[in-house]
Amino acid sequence: EAGVTQSPTHLIKTRGQQATLRCSPISGHTSVYWYQQALGLGLQFLLWYDEGEERNRGNFPPRFSGRQFPNYSSELNVNALELEDSALYLCASSLWSTGTKLYEQYFGPGTRLTVT
Amino acid sequence: GQQVMQIPQYQHVQEGEDFTTYCNSSTTLSNIQWYKQRPGGHPVFLIQLVKSGEVKKQKRLTFQFGEAKKNSSLHITATQTTDVGTYFCAGGQGGSEKLVFGKGTKLTVNP
Repeated sequence: EAGVTQSPTHLIKTRGQQATLRCSPISGHTSVYWYQQALGLGLQFLLWYDEGEERNRGNFPPRFSGRQFPNYSSELNVNALELEDSALYLCASSLWSTGTKLYEQYFGPGTRLTVT
Repeated sequence: GQQVMQIPQYQHVQEGEDFTTYCNSSTTLSNIQWYKQRPGGHPVFLIQLVKSGEVKKQKRLTFQFGEAKKNSSLHITATQTTDVGTYFCAGGQGGSEKLVFGKGTKLTVNP
């Protein structure tokens, strides 16, 4: 079974540009989560999509946005890039299990975004 | 909003010593999950605890969920170099799949 995939692996942008990051969840998973992992700050929750809809967003400005497509893949867009947006962006997918109430998140390898 | 605090931030041990990381939530949790992130890797799910006072073991790892479901701990007995990495706890609230992650405890093991 293929895991969560993300592209690109690395992305270098200049301040003010826009970045688009992509994520494909594990087959059958309907929920996709985006996290920002900046040095020393742990995992900061960005966005949660489920069944094509945004269910929740973290404490990030509106220039962080995204969407989920009918095939459950997802895209994260970051507009007007700032230097402090440099980080590892992780995508995770999960499938809610009503029986076990288990919804472990499976993480992708991440996209390393560098803003210069 | 919900906050999850994790301590210590860093822990350095000699191989064979024990290690414990603690997680505290500002609100009652429906469940708590633990993840491990190896250097250069991505977080990998270890376990989920749901019941008050629950204790689960995975070989040398022991996970506990507090009676009030607001705190948790991960204990590693006789650490090995393969245990190095950052351990994250993540708290979940009922009716939502959103997890709030702690900042993690980075463990280094001196052989």
